[in-house]
Amino acid sequence: NAGVTQTPKFRVLKTGQSMTLLCAQDMNHEYMYWYRQDPGMGLRLIHYSVGEGTTAKGEVPDGYNVSRLKKQNFLLGLESAAPSQTSVYFCASSYPRTGGTEQYFGPGTRLTVT
Amino acid sequence: SQQGEEDPQALSIQEGENATMNCSYKTSINNLQWYRQNSGRGLVHLILIRSNEREKHSGRLRVTLDTSKKSSSLLITASRAADTASYFCAPPGGYNKLIFGAGTRLAVHP
Repeated sequence: NAGVTQTPKFRVLKTGQSMTLLCAQDMNHEYMYWYRQDPGMGLRLIHYSVGEGTTAKGEVPDGYNVSRLKKQNFLLGLESAAPSQTSVYFCASSYPRTGGTEQYFGPGTRLTVT
Repeated sequence: SQQGEEDPQALSIQEGENATMNCSYKTSINNLQWYRQNSGRGLVHLILIRSNEREKHSGRLRVTLDTSKKSSSLLITASRAADTASYFCAPPGGYNKLIFGAGTRLAVHP
């Protein structure tokens, strides 16, 4: 199993450009999440999904859109990139379980917006 | 919000010493998780402790949970250089969401 994979690993964008980050998981997990991590900080939740076709806002959703058309994929879109979106983006997945369950993280996408 | 707050922010020790990191949170929880992040990498799950557990062990890791004080601690015994990483506690939100604090940066020197 590959676990959670993210594409691309690195990207440089100019202000105003758009892009889509792809997250894929092969563990048949229901839940998927997108986080961003800025230097010296913890992860902040952008959007999440509790199943195919459903998405919800997290802590810092502004400037991002997401889609979950297939259970195994969760896409994060930046429609008009801004320098404030320079960050490392992590995707994670988990299965639903009362009482909590671990999240599995991808390796991250390092995005720079100039 | 319900994010975990780790203390200290940074910890520097020698190989073989023990490292203790603390976490505080604000509201009632049914579980709490700890994660490790090596520099520039994704997070790796270390341990999940449920609210009805006071202590849990995994290898050289020992986690405690005191729900009355809304606090948890992570102890790494006999530390190694490979334990150098950032450590995060994560109390839960709904739908298995995790709310991360800024973490504790641990440096273990040979």
